[in-house]
Amino acid sequence: NAGVTQTPKFQVLKTGQSMTLQCAQDMNHNSMYWYRQDPGMGLRLIYYSASEGTTDKGEVPNGYNVSRLNKREFSLRLESAAPSQTSVYFCASSGTADEQYFGPGTRLTVT
Amino acid sequence: AQSVTQLDSQVPVFEEAPVELRCNYSSSVSVYLFWYVQYPNQGLQLLLKYLSGSTLVKGINGFEAEFNKSQTSFHLRKPSVHISDTAEYFCATLSGGSNYKLTFGKGTLLTVNP
Repeated sequence: NAGVTQTPKFQVLKTGQSMTLQCAQDMNHNSMYWYRQDPGMGLRLIYYSASEGTTDKGEVPNGYNVSRLNKREFSLRLESAAPSQTSVYFCASSGTADEQYFGPGTRLTVT
Repeated sequence: AQSVTQLDSQVPVFEEAPVELRCNYSSSVSVYLFWYVQYPNQGLQLLLKYLSGSTLVKGINGFEAEFNKSQTSFHLRKPSVHISDTAEYFCATLSGGSNYKLTFGKGTLLTVNP
């Protein structure tokens, strides 16, 4: 039981490049989330998916797109990376209101 | 929308001293509150939660928090900290609706010194 897994762990991009961050959970959770963490800002919600086939914007969606590929997988895509997207990205999942389970994070640097 | 405010960005303490990390929430009819911990270079994990019932909530690693409705607070406490408690601590609340979205505070970095 791996919980929530994320790939890659680290990535360096040049401005304008694109990439997809992958997330998968093996807990049969309906809801999945993408957050970014910046120093002094806490975690901010980028996008979430309440169930397979649905996605909604969070607090900071600009510059990102998401795909809920199936119940297990929720990917985050940066179409044209900008230095302001340098951050640590966390994926999470939940089955109830009680708890969200977080992945280990992806550290992204955009130069 | 619900929100939380963590009043201290950094809290340095000595080992075996007591600690309190402060969190205030915006008032609402029903409140679900959480404390998450993030150890260096790791993801977040749930420390404790308040959903209803007893206002004193006990969590993992000897931490506890008290829900205080009159002061709209949910402060985290530990009577005696260890070096291994060094981490960033986040207070969070459900954003409302049925999608279990969390709104996080900005975090408090607890540094335990020998």
